[in-house]
Amino acid sequence: DIQMTQSPSSLSASVGDGVTITCRASQSISSYLNWYQQKPGTAPKLLIYAASNLQSGVPSRFSGGGSGTHFTLTISSLQPEDFATYYCQQSYTTPRTFGQGTKVEI
Amino acid sequence: QVTLKESGPVLVKSTETLTLTCTVSGFSLSNARMGVSWIRQPPGKALEWLAHIFSNDEKSYNTSLKSRLTISKDTSKSQVILTMTNMDPVDAATYYCARCNSGAYYGFDYWGQGTQVTVSS
Repeated sequence: DIQMTQSPSSLSASVGDGVTITCRASQSISSYLNWYQQKPGTAPKLLIYAASNLQSGVPSRFSGGGSGTHFTLTISSLQPEDFATYYCQQSYTTPRTFGQGTKVEI
Repeated sequence: QVTLKESGPVLVKSTETLTLTCTVSGFSLSNARMGVSWIRQPPGKALEWLAHIFSNDEKSYNTSLKSRLTISKDTSKSQVILTMTNMDPVDAATYYCARCNSGAYYGFDYWGQGTQVTVSS
């Protein structure tokens, strides 16, 4: 199975800050990397697919990059509604696997 | 409008079999670009992918849970069913179904609201 490792596990930031979350795959997954945002008590929401493509309706302050084994999710200017947990997920092969999550706190 | 909705028991006993149903609308389970996965999340923990069924009925399972899982679909009813045998308290979680879209590089673009399952010992 492909292992997905996120860092950091949590981070503290302020409104207006820029933050970057990293996701590493245990083997190359090309660009088959997706990012999700999850707020407490709700289902995850797809933010970015194929490493860098913004899902419809997602604000442009979110961006993704990388390929192969190293990927990033960047939020350029944190807004109050962005405080949540973020997960990466590989869709290169089955079984699908998620990272352990990164909690973005105020 | 695409929607997915999970249904099933809220409480099961240890060693029992859990059966969950995902009823979808707004797309067809026979659409070659779509599939459905089940994903779970224990309280306070990360997401764990469980199983997937493709439009052609091909199935895939979580490696460590494979012996306990069965996924199937009834296209006429727009339902995807997951069974998990020999339930244990560690299987307590919120169980989600999600649509997998090949147009989004097989990302999960729509999710159900989730159904919480408790396992009593």
